[in-house]
Amino acid sequence: AQKVTQAQTEISVVEKEDVTLDCVYETRDTTYYLFWYKQPPSGELVFLIRRNSFDEQNEISGRYSWNFQKSTSSFNFTITASQVVDSAVYFCALSESYSGGGADGLTFGKGTHLIIQP
Amino acid sequence: GAVVSQHPSWVICKSGTSVKIECRSLDFQATTMFWYRQFPKQSLMLMATSNEGSKATYEQGVEKDKFLINHASLTLSTLTVTSAHPEDSSFYICSASRAGLPYEQYFGPGTRLTVT
Repeated sequence: AQKVTQAQTEISVVEKEDVTLDCVYETRDTTYYLFWYKQPPSGELVFLIRRNSFDEQNEISGRYSWNFQKSTSSFNFTITASQVVDSAVYFCALSESYSGGGADGLTFGKGTHLIIQP
Repeated sequence: GAVVSQHPSWVICKSGTSVKIECRSLDFQATTMFWYRQFPKQSLMLMATSNEGSKATYEQGVEKDKFLINHASLTLSTLTVTSAHPEDSSFYICSASRAGLPYEQYFGPGTRLTVT
């Protein structure tokens, strides 16, 4: 069965510091998708990125970057020059494929509570 | 595009009563909808998957007679919590995906249920 591990329960840094959120996953599928979501106090999930298992290219979007390494089953997320508005809970998630060609629901990690202090 | 709404955004009900939560895809046809539950300071757990016109598939440990899911149209799925108890108090979130793009899941804003 699939599993997502976010070992960091809470991270606290001072504004402008760089911070990396770790995500390790387990799956028996060769085709799967990995996601990162941000959940601010309002509760609404904010989609950050989706990456399929065949695309190991790292991605950068502004201050955000993601490092996908299949060899270590990791999909880490880095925020450069953190800002107070980045404070939230961040979830890594995994979706496997199934024979019907669709996708399963997401399996979420336990989340990392990121606190950016001014 | 790809907006999912939920109604109500929060609800308080008395123990023993039933409450219905709606999940709507506003600008696309959702062939598959998912329901998740999130307890305070915890992760999201998948409860069930529903395909339009079919019975929902429930995850292990989720009581299908307690959490009734209906996906009668391509834009609406409902979750009814029957005979609610305080332990059912939680944040319920739905997501929807459309035909041909199963890996794009769009999440609703969530419904906070409090059972007194």
